[in-house]
Amino acid sequence: QIQLVQSGPEVKKPGTSVKVSCKTSGFTFSRSAVQWVRQARGQRLEWVGWIVVDSGNTNYAQNVQGRVTITRDMSTSTVYMELSSLRSEDTALYYCAAAPDYLRGSYRFDSWGQGTQIIVSS
Amino acid sequence: EIVLTQSPGTLSLSPGERATLSCRASQHVSSSYLAWYQQKPGQAPRLLIYSTYNRATGIPDRFSGSGSGTDFTLTISRLEPEDVAVYSCQQFSSSPCTFGQGTKLEIK
Repeated sequence: QIQLVQSGPEVKKPGTSVKVSCKTSGFTFSRSAVQWVRQARGQRLEWVGWIVVDSGNTNYAQNVQGRVTITRDMSTSTVYMELSSLRSEDTALYYCAAAPDYLRGSYRFDSWGQGTQIIVSS
Repeated sequence: EIVLTQSPGTLSLSPGERATLSCRASQHVSSSYLAWYQQKPGQAPRLLIYSTYNRATGIPDRFSGSGSGTDFTLTISRLEPEDVAVYSCQQFSSSPCTFGQGTKLEIK
């Protein structure tokens, strides 16, 4: 079955960077797209960005543009999200979600990771 | 950026009733690129509907999606107690992708 397993929680100081992993299995990685979504406590879902796995093309939200980098490792079917120059406002639960049939035109993000808590605090 | 506005903010209904949740976009959204998610407390979002109309795998047929252009609707035909959750829409039609602020569904 499809699984997305994310790395564990992180506590970071303002101005530093964090890199979260999302290891996938159960589908053809190269045919997929993976998005990252974050949610501060009690707040709405917020799109961070995504990667088309086959091409490596990425797209990012404007409010994290320049600070976020999403990459993938084809050998381990893992997607990474790195966020730099961390601010307190980046404190949130970060989810990855996969659309396994993206290259077939389906934006069906029906598989989600368990979430990674990132806390930014001095 | 396309802004998605969901209404109502909170919906309180009784079991067996019909729930109608709205997602209004500030610009045209292609029907292929509109999804609905259900999120229960402490859980990751769960895809309910993709491409406006299509139910995701395992989603009961009580859930249905409709709409076009700037107005989209999620309907739950017969509410059950386990439907208590926050429901959010997401558009992929234009970058950046955006989410609505969510509708909280309560069961009386």
